[in-house]
Amino acid sequence: NAGVTQTPKFRVLKTGQSMTLLCAQDMNHEYMYWYRQDPGMGLRLIHYSVGEGTTAKGEVPDGYNVSRLKKQNFLLGLESAAPSQTSVYFCASSRDGGKAFFGQGTRLTVV
Amino acid sequence: DQQVKQNSPSLSVQEGRISILNCDYTNSMFDYFLWYKKYPAEGPTFLISISSIKDKNEDGRFTVFLNKSAKHLSLHIVPSQPGDSAVYFCAASGSGNTPLVFGKGTRLSVIA
Repeated sequence: NAGVTQTPKFRVLKTGQSMTLLCAQDMNHEYMYWYRQDPGMGLRLIHYSVGEGTTAKGEVPDGYNVSRLKKQNFLLGLESAAPSQTSVYFCASSRDGGKAFFGQGTRLTVV
Repeated sequence: DQQVKQNSPSLSVQEGRISILNCDYTNSMFDYFLWYKKYPAEGPTFLISISSIKDKNEDGRFTVFLNKSAKHLSLHIVPSQPGDSAVYFCAASGSGNTPLVFGKGTRLSVIA
Protein backbone atom coordinates (compact mmCIF):
# COMPACT_ATOMS: atom_id res chain seq x y z
CA ASN A 1 0.00 0.00 0.00
CA ALA A 2 1.86 3.07 -1.27
CA GLY A 3 -0.41 5.72 0.31
CA VAL A 4 0.34 9.13 -1.22
CA THR A 5 3.03 9.31 -3.90
CA GLN A 6 4.47 12.52 -5.30
CA THR A 7 6.38 12.88 -8.56
CA PRO A 8 9.06 14.20 -8.95
CA LYS A 9 10.95 14.35 -5.64
CA PHE A 10 13.30 17.14 -6.77
CA ARG A 11 13.24 19.67 -9.59
CA VAL A 12 15.14 22.78 -10.61
CA LEU A 13 13.36 25.22 -12.90
CA LYS A 14 14.38 28.41 -14.58
CA THR A 15 12.24 31.49 -14.05
CA GLY A 16 9.36 31.46 -16.51
CA GLN A 17 9.37 27.72 -17.13
CA SER A 18 6.30 25.62 -16.46
CA MET A 19 5.89 22.28 -14.77
CA THR A 20 3.34 19.93 -13.27
CA LEU A 21 3.63 18.11 -9.98
CA LEU A 22 1.76 14.84 -9.80
CA CYS A 23 0.14 13.39 -6.71
CA ALA A 24 -1.39 9.93 -6.62
CA GLN A 25 -3.19 8.21 -3.75
CA ASP A 26 -4.38 4.62 -3.54
CA MET A 27 -6.62 4.92 -0.47
CA ASN A 28 -9.78 5.90 -2.37
CA HIS A 29 -9.86 9.21 -0.52
CA GLU A 30 -12.29 11.91 -1.58
CA TYR A 31 -10.25 14.89 -0.40
CA MET A 32 -6.85 15.91 -1.73
CA TYR A 33 -4.66 18.90 -0.93
CA TRP A 34 -1.54 20.71 -2.00
CA TYR A 35 0.49 22.51 0.68
CA ARG A 36 3.79 24.35 0.53
CA GLN A 37 6.29 24.49 3.35
CA ASP A 38 8.66 27.40 3.71
CA PRO A 39 11.11 28.11 6.56
CA GLY A 40 9.30 29.70 9.49
CA MET A 41 5.95 29.59 7.69
CA GLY A 42 4.63 26.13 8.46
CA LEU A 43 2.37 24.38 5.96
CA ARG A 44 0.19 26.65 3.85
CA LEU A 45 -2.68 25.38 1.74
CA ILE A 46 -2.43 26.16 -1.98
CA HIS A 47 -5.46 24.39 -3.47
CA TYR A 48 -7.63 21.49 -2.52
CA SER A 49 -10.29 19.18 -3.91
CA VAL A 50 -13.30 17.61 -2.19
CA GLY A 51 -13.91 15.08 -4.94
CA GLU A 52 -13.24 14.13 -8.53
CA GLY A 53 -13.77 17.09 -10.85
CA THR A 54 -13.75 19.71 -8.05
CA THR A 55 -11.08 22.19 -6.99
CA ALA A 56 -10.98 25.10 -4.57
CA LYS A 57 -8.50 27.81 -3.59
CA GLY A 58 -6.60 27.68 -0.36
CA GLU A 59 -4.58 30.30 1.46
CA VAL A 60 -1.87 30.90 -1.18
CA PRO A 61 -3.30 29.97 -4.62
CA ASP A 62 -1.72 32.68 -6.82
CA GLY A 63 0.60 31.37 -9.52
CA TYR A 64 -0.74 27.82 -9.30
CA ASN A 65 -3.45 25.80 -11.01
CA VAL A 66 -4.78 22.35 -10.18
CA SER A 67 -6.84 19.61 -11.75
CA ARG A 68 -8.59 16.53 -10.36
CA LEU A 69 -9.68 14.61 -13.44
CA LYS A 70 -9.42 11.27 -11.68
CA LYS A 71 -10.22 10.57 -8.04
CA GLN A 72 -6.78 9.15 -7.34
CA ASN A 73 -4.76 11.97 -8.91
CA PHE A 74 -4.32 15.65 -8.06
CA LEU A 75 -2.07 17.73 -10.29
CA LEU A 76 -0.44 21.03 -9.34
CA GLY A 77 0.70 23.24 -12.20
CA LEU A 78 3.04 26.20 -12.31
CA GLU A 79 2.49 28.06 -15.58
CA SER A 80 5.38 30.52 -15.25
CA ALA A 81 7.67 29.69 -12.34
CA ALA A 82 9.03 32.47 -10.13
CA PRO A 83 11.81 32.36 -7.51
CA SER A 84 9.14 32.98 -4.83
CA GLN A 85 7.78 29.52 -5.68
CA THR A 86 10.96 27.87 -4.46
CA SER A 87 9.61 25.64 -1.72
CA VAL A 88 8.86 22.11 -0.59
CA TYR A 89 5.46 20.98 -1.84
CA PHE A 90 3.40 18.38 -0.04
CA CYS A 91 0.36 16.59 -1.32
CA ALA A 92 -2.08 15.04 1.12
CA SER A 93 -5.34 13.13 1.03
CA SER A 94 -8.09 12.37 3.52
CA ARG A 95 -11.22 10.27 3.57
CA ASP A 96 -13.57 12.88 4.97
CA GLY A 97 -11.67 16.12 5.48
CA GLY A 98 -10.19 15.14 8.84
CA LYS A 99 -6.96 13.24 9.37
CA ALA A 100 -4.77 13.67 6.29
CA PHE A 101 -2.01 11.47 4.93
CA PHE A 102 0.95 13.18 3.33
CA GLY A 103 3.33 12.34 0.52
CA GLN A 104 7.08 12.56 0.89
CA GLY A 105 7.31 16.00 -0.66
CA THR A 106 8.74 17.64 -3.79
CA ARG A 107 11.63 20.05 -3.37
CA LEU A 108 11.37 22.71 -6.07
CA THR A 109 14.02 25.33 -6.76
CA VAL A 110 13.36 28.17 -9.20
CA VAL A 111 16.49 29.99 -10.35
CA ASP B 1 -4.15 36.39 10.30
CA GLN B 2 -2.85 33.19 11.84
CA GLN B 3 -5.64 30.93 13.01
CA VAL B 4 -3.34 28.32 14.55
CA LYS B 5 -0.32 29.54 16.47
CA GLN B 6 2.68 27.70 17.81
CA ASN B 7 4.60 30.41 19.58
CA SER B 8 7.69 28.38 20.42
CA PRO B 9 9.83 27.75 17.32
CA SER B 10 12.04 25.34 19.23
CA LEU B 11 12.22 23.31 22.43
CA SER B 12 15.07 21.37 23.95
CA VAL B 13 14.43 18.58 26.49
CA GLN B 14 16.56 16.03 28.28
CA GLU B 15 15.96 12.38 27.44
CA GLY B 16 13.51 10.80 29.87
CA ARG B 17 11.88 14.10 30.81
CA ILE B 18 8.52 15.44 29.69
CA SER B 19 8.18 17.47 26.50
CA ILE B 20 5.26 19.92 26.35
CA LEU B 21 4.39 21.51 23.05
CA ASN B 22 1.77 24.22 22.97
CA CYS B 23 -0.70 25.45 20.39
CA ASP B 24 -3.30 28.22 20.41
CA TYR B 25 -6.12 28.82 17.96
CA THR B 26 -8.38 31.75 17.26
CA ASN B 27 -11.22 30.26 15.21
CA SER B 28 -14.01 29.11 17.51
CA MET B 29 -15.45 27.00 14.65
CA PHE B 30 -12.54 24.56 14.89
CA ASP B 31 -13.73 21.27 16.36
CA TYR B 32 -11.02 18.77 15.51
CA PHE B 33 -7.35 19.11 16.36
CA LEU B 34 -4.35 17.07 15.32
CA TRP B 35 -0.63 16.84 15.90
CA TYR B 36 1.76 15.85 13.14
CA LYS B 37 5.41 14.94 13.39
CA LYS B 38 7.89 15.69 10.63
CA TYR B 39 11.41 14.41 10.12
CA PRO B 40 13.75 16.14 7.62
CA ALA B 41 13.18 15.18 3.99
CA GLU B 42 9.97 13.33 4.85
CA GLY B 43 6.29 14.21 4.78
CA PRO B 44 4.41 14.98 7.99
CA THR B 45 2.97 11.92 9.72
CA PHE B 46 -0.10 11.87 11.90
CA LEU B 47 0.59 11.51 15.60
CA ILE B 48 -2.56 12.04 17.65
CA SER B 49 -5.85 13.91 17.46
CA ILE B 50 -8.65 15.16 19.68
CA SER B 51 -12.23 16.12 19.06
CA SER B 52 -13.73 19.19 20.73
CA ILE B 53 -16.10 16.98 22.74
CA LYS B 54 -13.10 15.69 24.71
CA ASP B 55 -10.47 17.40 26.81
CA LYS B 56 -7.85 14.67 26.75
CA ASN B 57 -6.69 11.90 24.45
CA GLU B 58 -3.88 9.51 25.19
CA ASP B 59 -1.86 7.17 22.99
CA GLY B 60 1.11 5.54 24.63
CA ARG B 61 3.70 8.19 25.49
CA PHE B 62 1.66 10.90 23.79
CA THR B 63 -1.20 12.82 25.36
CA VAL B 64 -3.07 15.77 23.90
CA PHE B 65 -4.99 18.15 26.16
CA LEU B 66 -7.63 20.56 24.91
CA ASN B 67 -8.83 23.64 26.79
CA LYS B 68 -11.71 25.00 24.69
CA SER B 69 -12.37 28.04 26.84
CA ALA B 70 -8.74 29.13 26.43
CA LYS B 71 -8.57 27.95 22.80
CA HIS B 72 -5.41 26.10 23.72
CA LEU B 73 -4.10 22.61 23.22
CA SER B 74 -0.90 20.94 24.25
CA LEU B 75 0.98 17.77 23.41
CA HIS B 76 2.79 15.96 26.21
CA ILE B 77 5.46 13.38 25.47
CA VAL B 78 6.51 11.26 28.43
CA PRO B 79 9.20 10.05 28.59
CA SER B 80 10.94 11.88 25.78
CA GLN B 81 13.30 9.88 23.61
CA PRO B 82 16.01 10.98 21.14
CA GLY B 83 13.88 9.55 18.29
CA ASP B 84 11.21 12.12 19.18
CA SER B 85 13.47 14.87 17.84
CA ALA B 86 11.49 16.33 14.94
CA VAL B 87 9.29 19.26 13.99
CA TYR B 88 5.78 19.04 15.45
CA PHE B 89 2.87 20.73 13.72
CA CYS B 90 -0.43 21.52 15.35
CA ALA B 91 -3.43 21.48 12.97
CA ALA B 92 -7.12 22.21 13.21
CA SER B 93 -10.24 21.85 11.13
CA GLY B 94 -13.83 22.96 11.45
CA SER B 95 -17.20 21.39 10.77
CA GLY B 96 -18.10 20.88 7.13
CA ASN B 97 -14.85 19.04 6.51
CA THR B 98 -12.80 22.18 5.95
CA PRO B 99 -9.09 21.64 5.12
CA LEU B 100 -6.59 21.40 7.94
CA VAL B 101 -5.00 24.67 9.03
CA PHE B 102 -1.48 24.27 10.36
CA GLY B 103 0.66 26.15 12.80
CA LYS B 104 4.25 27.07 11.96
CA GLY B 105 5.69 24.14 13.88
CA THR B 106 7.93 23.60 16.89
CA ARG B 107 11.29 21.91 16.53
CA LEU B 108 11.82 19.50 19.42
CA SER B 109 15.32 18.35 20.27
CA VAL B 110 15.64 15.54 22.80
CA ILE B 111 19.14 15.43 24.20
CA ALA B 112 20.59 12.13 25.35
